[in-house]
Amino acid sequence: GAVVSQHPSRVICKSGTSVKIECRSLDFQATTMFWYRQFPKQSLMLMATSNEGSKATYEQGVEKDKFLINHASLTLSTLTVTSAHPEDSSFYICSVAGGYNEQFFGPGTRLTVL
Amino acid sequence: DAKTTQPPSMDCAEGRAANLPCNHSTISGNEYVYWYRQIHSQGPQYIIHGLKNNETNEMASLIITEDRKSSTLILPHATLRDTAVYYCIVRDRGANNLFFGTGTRLTVIP
Repeated sequence: GAVVSQHPSRVICKSGTSVKIECRSLDFQATTMFWYRQFPKQSLMLMATSNEGSKATYEQGVEKDKFLINHASLTLSTLTVTSAHPEDSSFYICSVAGGYNEQFFGPGTRLTVL
Repeated sequence: DAKTTQPPSMDCAEGRAANLPCNHSTISGNEYVYWYRQIHSQGPQYIIHGLKNNETNEMASLIITEDRKSSTLILPHATLRDTAVYYCIVRDRGANNLFFGTGTRLTVIP
């Protein structure tokens, strides 16, 4: 399957600052990537679908102006959490759609907003 | 809403087969059954998927009942590293969304 990396693996920031998380598909050209978040002891929730060269599609209830997604190349998608607040603290995970539409996930980024 | 029902937790002795059940009684003809697992603080890992035939790969076997209303994921020789939350997901192959329910927390015991 596809190998997916995320950077950083952990980030701590102050409230009000913006944080960028990178998701890279290392061995697969990904026209579609996905962003999920997972709160403690909860399951993953899809936030948005990132399409290379076009705007992301956001799930209901996810603020597109707060969670900026850029998918400028077939190997890189970025998620920027703007004006982060403590309630945005979560585990953010990206994935890449494979050939059979299975998804291959990155290792996740743990965001802590103080 | 979740389309699958899984037991919240299971234990399995190391070296024995782990059989994880999943009910998906409302599955439609176009929907596949996917299994993923998530080891603590890591991203989910794809395991296997199937439509109606039983499937096997290097990680596991997937047994789907003839009426497709339930399935079982089999880890033939569980190891401690198989301790994880296992998610059974049904969806149309062309759909993007993966709905992760609560899954089954499998604990492999030495």
